[in-house]
Amino acid sequence: GAGVSQSPSNKVTEKGKDVELRCDPISGHTALYWYRQSLGQGLEFLIYFQGNSAPDKSGLPSDRFSAERTGGSVSTLTIQRTQQEDSAVYLCASSSTEGLASPDTQYFGPGTRLTVL
Amino acid sequence: KQEVTQIPAALSVPEGENLVLNCSFTDSAIYNLQWFRQDPGKGLTSLLLIQSSQREQTSGRLNASLDKSSGRSTLYIAASQPGDSATYLCAVDDYKLSFGAGTTVTVRA
Repeated sequence: GAGVSQSPSNKVTEKGKDVELRCDPISGHTALYWYRQSLGQGLEFLIYFQGNSAPDKSGLPSDRFSAERTGGSVSTLTIQRTQQEDSAVYLCASSSTEGLASPDTQYFGPGTRLTVL
Repeated sequence: KQEVTQIPAALSVPEGENLVLNCSFTDSAIYNLQWFRQDPGKGLTSLLLIQSSQREQTSGRLNASLDKSSGRSTLYIAASQPGDSATYLCAVDDYKLSFGAGTTVTVRA
């Protein structure tokens, strides 16, 4: 079956512009995560959506970052007024937690490489 | 805050040798621990997931152990092959994943 997909695969933008990154999780997965992988910081958690619950935004680095998940499926990560330090690979993951006592395997998409000039 | 450390940072071995990758974490209140593989320019591929109640998990040539009380996990790869060359990441799950910096493995033919 189809895995997690992300678009675009690459995005180059100018400092100060807004960008939107898209994630399509595996069908039926209720949990969706965004992570960021940058050279200096490694892989870090950004935000977590679980079903209809309020998202956990504790990993978002600033108020320029926001994310939404429509209809419990597709998610969009928006970065406003991009800065050079936002350059990184943004990874999305999804997992199924239905009927499980603890989180299940997270399946990752290929990522979006963002370059801010 | 959960801190995850992986040792060594890099490893180079001849083909056929067994690999031992180490991961340590500071907070034992975890649901599970996952090992991932990442190839250059690619996303993450899940290799093994060990639930917090388990001691080890095996898949083919891969075996991962978990000692939650001491905050350690070890990934063993038997009879390494050049195709095993990649970066291996350890991640602890307390509903979100906290990653180590990874061990970059090179298997020489």
